Amino acid sequence: AQKVTQAQTEISVVEKEDVTLDCVYETRDTTYYLFWYKQPPSGELVFLIRRNSFDEQNEISGRYSWNFQKSTSSFNFTITASQVVDSAVYFCALAGNKLTFGGGTRVLVKP
Amino acid sequence: KAGVTQTPRYLIKTRGQQVTLSCSPISGHRSVSWYQQTPGQGLQFLFEYFSETQRNKGNFPGRFSGRQFSNSRSEMNVSTLELGDSALYLCASNPAYGFQETQYFGPGTRLLVL
Repeated sequence: AQKVTQAQTEISVVEKEDVTLDCVYETRDTTYYLFWYKQPPSGELVFLIRRNSFDEQNEISGRYSWNFQKSTSSFNFTITASQVVDSAVYFCALAGNKLTFGGGTRVLVKP
Repeated sequence: KAGVTQTPRYLIKTRGQQVTLSCSPISGHRSVSWYQQTPGQGLQFLFEYFSETQRNKGNFPGRFSGRQFSNSRSEMNVSTLELGDSALYLCASNPAYGFQETQYFGPGTRLLVL
């Protein structure tokens, strides 16, 4: 069975605070891909990152960073110095023999 | 490049009717996938088309169908609408097919069934 858990349903922070979104996955596939998408109020899912199961290097892109730990089946996402424009729902997804999305984490950044 | 476009953006239908949603992928992309998003069930995969052939299918009843044209544009049809079909329907495209490819999403069609 394939499963993605985003335990945090909603996180509220004040602008400039850091926020970390947790993603834990389950899969029996040896090769798989992990994704993060952002869904602003407009509804469109915006691709943020794709990582394969063999690449455990952490990645930083501007204020965004990702920590992939295969040993704990986690692929966490951190927004540094959050801004109001970061307010959105963020989805973690796992692609093995099928595509499974987590339930999403709503991030609210207050000015 | 223009992104994925979906029409219409909003739709109101009544139970028992049918509806057709349209999706135009990013130029050069040959795979189109459809997803349903509801507050209760979250994001769920409906089906994927590549080169006019359905390659993958999610766990939805036969009332949900789709097709892809030679120009890669895709349509999704839902017949005999039920209240529970009210959802945001998202279309995504990518150059190749398969779940492991990055999906580029359109803005979605919000369907309300009364």
